[in-house]
Amino acid sequence: SQKIEQNSEALNIQEGKTATLTCNYTNYSPAYLQWYRQDPGRGPVFLLLIRENEKEKRKERLKVTFDTTLKQSLFHITASQPADSATYLCALDPSSRGGADGLTFGKGTHLIIQP
Amino acid sequence: NAGVTQTPKFQVLKTGQSMTLQCAQDMNHEYMSWYRQDPGMGLRLIHYSVGAGITDQGEVPNGYNVSRSTTEDFPLRLLSAAPSQTSVYFCASSHSGRAFGEQYFGPGTRLTVT
Repeated sequence: SQKIEQNSEALNIQEGKTATLTCNYTNYSPAYLQWYRQDPGRGPVFLLLIRENEKEKRKERLKVTFDTTLKQSLFHITASQPADSATYLCALDPSSRGGADGLTFGKGTHLIIQP
Repeated sequence: NAGVTQTPKFQVLKTGQSMTLQCAQDMNHEYMSWYRQDPGMGLRLIHYSVGAGITDQGEVPNGYNVSRSTTEDFPLRLLSAAPSQTSVYFCASSHSGRAFGEQYFGPGTRLTVT
């Protein structure tokens, strides 16, 4: 069965350092991979989308990589700030394969940036 | 723009009761979806719509109905609530030309079934 894994434990990072979150998947060939941020009691907010033929995508302090050979995406936040503390979700999107299977979300990684 | 709005924010139901969770978007997005989020699990797709008058089932559709009479509204109906439907429900819309492109989520409805 399809499986998507994110760090289940909270990730504690010191302010100013780079936070790196991991998303691994098996039995899946996504056309796109998306990252979302979710704050407590709020809906997820879209951050970045990367296509299967892209190796890297950047947006301000955020960087996403996508390695379809390793079946892994890495999400980096550089110069991290306490305001970056949240849960980060990765989601796999099979759209180019046809059909409408929908996004498959990971359980999320809880990131804590300590001052 | 208000974006995606959901009502109510909180709801408590007794087993067997029915209710409708409301969702509206003012961004003229063609695609809309309903997800549920449970502790220790990722968001799971319940139903989705690719346009007015067109709906389809997602991963966990049992016990839920949807309709899409307008582009703006996508209500989710619980036919006979069960404790297993206790969850946080999110509505989302998408404009990217694909049903499951970047999603714009609403604030959620926290439902408890006793």
